[in-house]
Amino acid sequence: QSVLTQPPSVSGAPGQRVTISCTGSISNIGANYDVHWYQQLPGTAPTLLIYANNNRPSGVPDRFSGSKSGASASLAVTGLQAEDEATYYCQSYDSRLSGSVFGGGTKLTVL
Amino acid sequence: QITLKESGPTLVKPTQTLTLTCTFSGFSLSTNEVAVGWIRQSPGKALEWLALIYWDDNKRYRPSLKSRLTITKDTSKNHVVLTMTNMDPVDTATYYCAHTAPGYSYGNLHFDYWGQGTLVTVSS
Repeated sequence: QSVLTQPPSVSGAPGQRVTISCTGSISNIGANYDVHWYQQLPGTAPTLLIYANNNRPSGVPDRFSGSKSGASASLAVTGLQAEDEATYYCQSYDSRLSGSVFGGGTKLTVL
Repeated sequence: QITLKESGPTLVKPTQTLTLTCTFSGFSLSTNEVAVGWIRQSPGKALEWLALIYWDDNKRYRPSLKSRLTITKDTSKNHVVLTMTNMDPVDTATYYCAHTAPGYSYGNLHFDYWGQGTLVTVSS
């Protein structure tokens, strides 16, 4: 069971907007530690999608955006495309565990 | 261009020690604030952070695995090595090494470049 909670799956039709939540606690996101998001395409390594809550590395489309409020964070994907079908992970730091923690992952299906 | 690549055995027996090497290019582990971490992913499961080593040889470990893990670096060879003792079938996973973006505190670090991963199976 992950310290950061994500829904196992979300889905949307091409062109639609979906959001993926990442719920933590006062020892991680709620303690104001940054949240980062990764995209993992099937059979490949994760890649950084959003860092420090709402920043996109160069090359990441602006269809992807991140936000954080309290002990939770969200990843939004607008204008869904077939290539967005992947598993998405959030990551933060947990002071009780004294280390990085990942969410359980959310599989995004484009209908 | 930063690249990382993991290497090591694909199969280890229970109780054996696993040694994985991360060979990287495009950065130096002697540069301030740079770090390399190891993350694993059991088949069909989530990512799990294991260990981290900084440019100044500061090391951090996942508390639940700390007694079994050792991370070291060889700056001259651009290598980071992870050893895990007393391997068990539950340690079967793809092991990734990753670069952390400099300029972020330990509590706010993120992994901006990842290796392709290496699958390690623990079985007799």
